[in-house]
Amino acid sequence: GENVEQHPSTLSVQEGDSAVIKCTYSDSASNYFPWYKQELGKRPQLIIDIRSNVGEKKDQRIAVTLNKTAKHFSLHITETQPEDSAVYFCAASSGSGGGADGLTFGKGTHLIIQP
Amino acid sequence: EAGVTQFPSHSVIEKGQTVTLRCDPISGHDNLYWYRRVMGKEIKFLLHFVKESKQDESGMPNNRFLAERTGGTYSTLKVQPAELEDSGVYFCASSRALGTEAFFGQGTRLTVV
Repeated sequence: GENVEQHPSTLSVQEGDSAVIKCTYSDSASNYFPWYKQELGKRPQLIIDIRSNVGEKKDQRIAVTLNKTAKHFSLHITETQPEDSAVYFCAASSGSGGGADGLTFGKGTHLIIQP
Repeated sequence: EAGVTQFPSHSVIEKGQTVTLRCDPISGHDNLYWYRRVMGKEIKFLLHFVKESKQDESGMPNNRFLAERTGGTYSTLKVQPAELEDSGVYFCASSRALGTEAFFGQGTRLTVV
């Protein structure tokens, strides 16, 4: 089955600086890679996703890059703000209907934005 | 549109008791997933329904867990009998199609004492 590794487990950055979270996956059949943000006590919410036919996707201060050959993808947050503080989860799935369409999550990164 | 709703939000039960969690997906979402996060660890997949059929239940930990989705609408996840290690937050998510955004419910925090 799929295995997703996520690093770092905790990341502390100064407000205004950039934050990068990295994930690797093991199943070459995976083709859908979402990132979820979970604030304390709230539900995980999708912030950005990327599919395997795209190498990079950007949405305002958030970007995701994907390297299918190396099987890794990264989340980049620029100009960090206090409200970016949360736990971020990367995930992977095949989304092909082949019986493995559930998301496999990384262990999460606790992002702390220092004022 | 209403989001994914889960009930109850919290449940505290004794070891050996039975608990049933409920998830109401977004209307029109055929895909329904159950996940579990134990003690601050990663969110782990439990199973996936397409309408009323179990597409993938490879993540179910053992036969004390039973999930149903009669009629392809809401789903229930029953734990019987509950053990201490079952404590955690149980999330439900739904999506319109495979490989598209999965919307999560707020989770049910289960504590087995």
